[in-house]
Amino acid sequence: QQPVQSPQAVILREGEDAVINCSSSKALYSVHWYRQKHGEAPVFLMILLKGGEQKGHEKISASFNEKKQQSSLYLTASQLSYSGTYFCGTAHTQGGSEKLVFGKGTKLTVNP
Amino acid sequence: DAGVIQSPRHEVTEMGQEVTLRCKPISGHNSLFWYRQTMMRGLELLIYFNNNVPIDDSGMPEDRFSAKMPNASFSTLKIQPSEPRDSAVYFCASSSMVGSGFPDTQYFGPGTRLTVL
Repeated sequence: QQPVQSPQAVILREGEDAVINCSSSKALYSVHWYRQKHGEAPVFLMILLKGGEQKGHEKISASFNEKKQQSSLYLTASQLSYSGTYFCGTAHTQGGSEKLVFGKGTKLTVNP
Repeated sequence: DAGVIQSPRHEVTEMGQEVTLRCKPISGHNSLFWYRQTMMRGLELLIYFNNNVPIDDSGMPEDRFSAKMPNASFSTLKIQPSEPRDSAVYFCASSSMVGSGFPDTQYFGPGTRLTVL
């Protein structure tokens, strides 16, 4: 089941904040956030694990609500370099070999 | 350190031709993933390998697609025969399944842009 991301797109001015949401219809074990700039490959930002462990980025934070099966990515004081499409990828078990299912992405544009 | 290497970066072919995409994962990584990205469908997982063994190929669209990983440093994705609807960017990614086995960071290659005329 593909996670649902919202909003689909957001436009900001430099310095503004944004929140990107990711929700799943299935229980989540981990949520992974990636950013993709136009014409480039997705780049890892952050992993959030069930139980609260988090690994990732210095200037971007995220939350993981296991009960609601949701994660949110918080971009504060946005910079021009934050522009790109943000994908969440969800994993549903702690299996030895687990795959990620990616949402359709949220396109973020930061203008001067 | 070299990242994930994919070749070719661009491929233009005619319908009906065989296409082979190649991937070299990061040394030491034991999981490899093939994705396809289109505007309509987003980033779709086609197949993934763990320790060179295919684990889940449920995303492979049809029998025209096949993937192999003969050793830890090389994988191929083959489309035969190719069709215009196969046009997309194909990414290869690798990761290391550490400790508890949860999926760790996936490192994506630069992708192969495939155009089937």
